[in-house]
Amino acid sequence: DAGVTQSPTHLIKTRGQQVTLRCSPKSGHDTVSWYQQALGQGPQFIFQYYEEEERQRGNFPDRFSGHQFPNYSSELNVNALLLGDSALYLCASSLGHLNTEAFFGQGTRLTVV
Amino acid sequence: DQQVKQNSPSLSVQEGRISILNCDYTNSMFDYFLWYKKYPAEGPTFLISISSIKDKNEDGRFTVFLNKSAKHLSLHIVPSQPGDSAVYFCAASALFPSGAGSYQLTFGKGTKLSVIP
Repeated sequence: DAGVTQSPTHLIKTRGQQVTLRCSPKSGHDTVSWYQQALGQGPQFIFQYYEEEERQRGNFPDRFSGHQFPNYSSELNVNALLLGDSALYLCASSLGHLNTEAFFGQGTRLTVV
Repeated sequence: DQQVKQNSPSLSVQEGRISILNCDYTNSMFDYFLWYKKYPAEGPTFLISISSIKDKNEDGRFTVFLNKSAKHLSLHIVPSQPGDSAVYFCAASALFPSGAGSYQLTFGKGTKLSVIP
């Protein structure tokens, strides 16, 4: 049973560029949430997608956007990258929009130079 | 403003002894709590959870205690094993009623546990 898979695992981008990160949820899950984990911090909620709609958004600027596809997979897009966007980006999937047991992927390590 | 706090950045415990990791929260709307374990270069792995209608939940060597009046929860690992060495995150969510916190997990900064053989 495949768990949550994210791609790519590592990425280096230049300030001002745009990046797309991808996530496939655990089999049977229909909800995807994205988190940003900076060094030494806990994961911070970016947004959640359920039924192909953004259900809730954390305290992140509009440069962060996302999408959920009919097969429940999801993308996170970040425009106009800043050095401060360097972080581990985690995708979590769950069944339904309530996080009673969210499963995380291994993350994408984004470095902005 | 941190709504979930793990005030101990690190903890060292001898193998076979009890590990106690603590977590405090400030948001009264939180009614569901989870613990995750994270190894380097991996995503967080779900360990155990507890609903606010309970004050204790056990799963093997792991027990979570919830004190709602103190807004405090703790994770006990007995006995501790070297493989338990990892960063442990406490997370909270608001399940009912459906409000701003329902759809997200709010995490603490984590506690790095080192179990010494």
